[in-house]
This record gives sequence, structure tokens and C-alpha cells, in this order.
Amino acid sequence: NAGVMQNPRHLVRRRGQEARLRCSPMKGHSHVYWYRQLPEEGLKFMVYLQKENIIDESGMPKERFSAEFPKEGPSILRIQQVVRGDSAAYFCASSPQGSGNTEAFFGQGTRLTVV
Amino acid sequence: AQSVTQLDSQVPVFEEAPVELRCNYSSSVSVYLFWYVQYPNQGLQLLLKYLSGSTLVKGINGFEAEFNKSQTSFHLRKPSVHISDTAEYFCAVRGGDGGSQGNLIFGKGTKLSVKP
Repeated sequence: NAGVMQNPRHLVRRRGQEARLRCSPMKGHSHVYWYRQLPEEGLKFMVYLQKENIIDESGMPKERFSAEFPKEGPSILRIQQVVRGDSAAYFCASSPQGSGNTEAFFGQGTRLTVV
Repeated sequence: AQSVTQLDSQVPVFEEAPVELRCNYSSSVSVYLFWYVQYPNQGLQLLLKYLSGSTLVKGINGFEAEFNKSQTSFHLRKPSVHISDTAEYFCAVRGGDGGSQGNLIFGKGTKLSVKP
């Protein structure tokens, strides 16, 4: 059973371009979470999704950022018109269900560099 | 609102020495607490978690943590560290009133550096 897969591992974008980060949850997991880790900071929650639904997007910036988790395929975190401040590591986690006792498993992250 | 404070950003220690990484939290509701480890350029791996029951929680790699409700602390300990324990450690509390452990609030991390 493969773990949470994120790709690409490293992504370089010029200012103004779009960045698309992909996350394939563990098999059987229907809940996905995205976190952002800025240099010298802990992880900050961005968004929590189930298949075809956004459950909690309280951590998402109001502009340029969007996330989806379609019925088929990976979850996508999309950043439009990237700026230097978007440079960070973006982590995805997945869990099989939404109960409080369910552990979430993290991927290895996508490191976005905006030049 | 829930928050987590990791009091030390860096902890250097010699191999085979004991170590304690400190974590304090604030929460107005029942808490679920976690410690994660992150090796360089890797994702996060769960070390241990406190959900309920015994306040002393044992995790992987010889780590343990004690939940202290009166002091709102969840410090991580290991009696004898190894070079391979060099990594960054994150304390986290589950946020909100529902959802899985994925909806976590993290501290800023403590970098543990084990020297020979």
C-alpha cells in the first residue's frame, strides 16, 4: 500500500505563472488536507477536502489559491499568478475517515520556488 | 482559539544523553495532542499521540510524552538519543470540533541536533 504521493517534489515557477501541486492519497482514504510550511515556520493548515467537497478552507488565502479533490484522480492545489512569498513546502495528508481518532498520513511534500 | 508553543527552536545534545523537547498548548476544548518528526527534505512522521486515557504516551523510536492538563504541556522525552534522532520535531493539537487528526495546529518546531 503506497503512502501519500505528492508530485512534483520540486517545482520552480517564475512570478506570475501558475503552480499545480498534486496529491494522491493513500488507497482507501477519502479525506485530504493541505498544509504550507514557510521557512523556519511550522505547518499551517490550508484546506480540508473530501471527494468533490471542500469541508474547511479557513486556512486558504482569499485570492489566487484554490483546491479540488475530484471523484477520480488526485487532489490539486492550484496557485495562480505566483509571487515570491508563495515559495514554501506544501504538504498533503490523507485519512480514511473524519473521526477524531483517525490518523492522517503525510506525503513528502512539494517544494515550490518562485523566481 | 487553539495554539501550540514550542519553547525551544534548537536543542543540541550529545549522543546517549537524555533529551526533553517542550510543548505547551492552549485550548478551550478537549485536546488531542501529537508529536511529529521531520527528517531533512521529508514529510512528517507521527511519533506518538495523546487522545485519552493514560497521560504517559509511548511512541516509536523510544520516544515518550506526558500529557499534563494542569500545566497545559505535552513534553517529548527520550532517555538516550542517537545520532539518527537528528531531525525537526513538531508538536500539534487538533483544531476545530470535528474532523480527523488531519486538521492540526502545529508549533514552529524544535530542531534536535545530536552530536557524537
